[in-house]
Amino acid sequence: GDSVTQMEGPVTLSEEAFLTINCTYTATGYPSLFWYVQYPGEGLQLLLKATKADDKGSNKGFEATYRKETTSFHLEKGSVQVSDSAVYFCALTNLPNGNQFYFGTGTSLTVIP
Amino acid sequence: DGGITQSPKYLFRKEGQNVTLSCEQNLNHDAMYWYRQDPGQGLRLIYYSQIVNDFQKGDIAEGYSVSREKKESFPLTVTSAQKNPTAFYLCASSRRGAGQETQYFGPGTRLLVL
Repeated sequence: GDSVTQMEGPVTLSEEAFLTINCTYTATGYPSLFWYVQYPGEGLQLLLKATKADDKGSNKGFEATYRKETTSFHLEKGSVQVSDSAVYFCALTNLPNGNQFYFGTGTSLTVIP
Repeated sequence: DGGITQSPKYLFRKEGQNVTLSCEQNLNHDAMYWYRQDPGQGLRLIYYSQIVNDFQKGDIAEGYSVSREKKESFPLTVTSAQKNPTAFYLCASSRRGAGQETQYFGPGTRLLVL
């Protein structure tokens, strides 16, 4: 079945460091891919999405490119801020599975000043 | 403003008690979902509904029940059969589309056992 695997955390970075959180997926066909962010005690917020191969999703300085050849959707940001401290979830949805979403286990990011 | 509301923010359950978590959306979405999140873990699907008066079990439906009598509402009942209910519960909704639809989440309800 469909699934998402993302890198284990927690990740701790200094402010202005470069961020990469790896995400790979298993799915038949052409899934849509998402990154969500969760701040402490809150629900998940959509960060960015990509719906077809080679699409790049971007938002608030974060980027991720849908790579079908490597089945990956890695999240990157060039210069993190303290306010980026949160848990990040990679997810996919796929037409053969209707509207079900499959989430990774989440990666906790802490940015220190 | 359109969005998803969940209430209450915190809920306490006594042994043997059923409790109901509310989820309401005004996004005109057909599909709604309930997830459970345990500390340091990802989301696990409890139930989902793609249309009014219809719902399907997710991966961990045992000890939970739902109803979908209105498009806007998808309440979740945690029954006494759920032996470990302490968790953060998230409701989500999406359009019922061609597999590309974004899920939008509510702020969550934290359930604690007394």
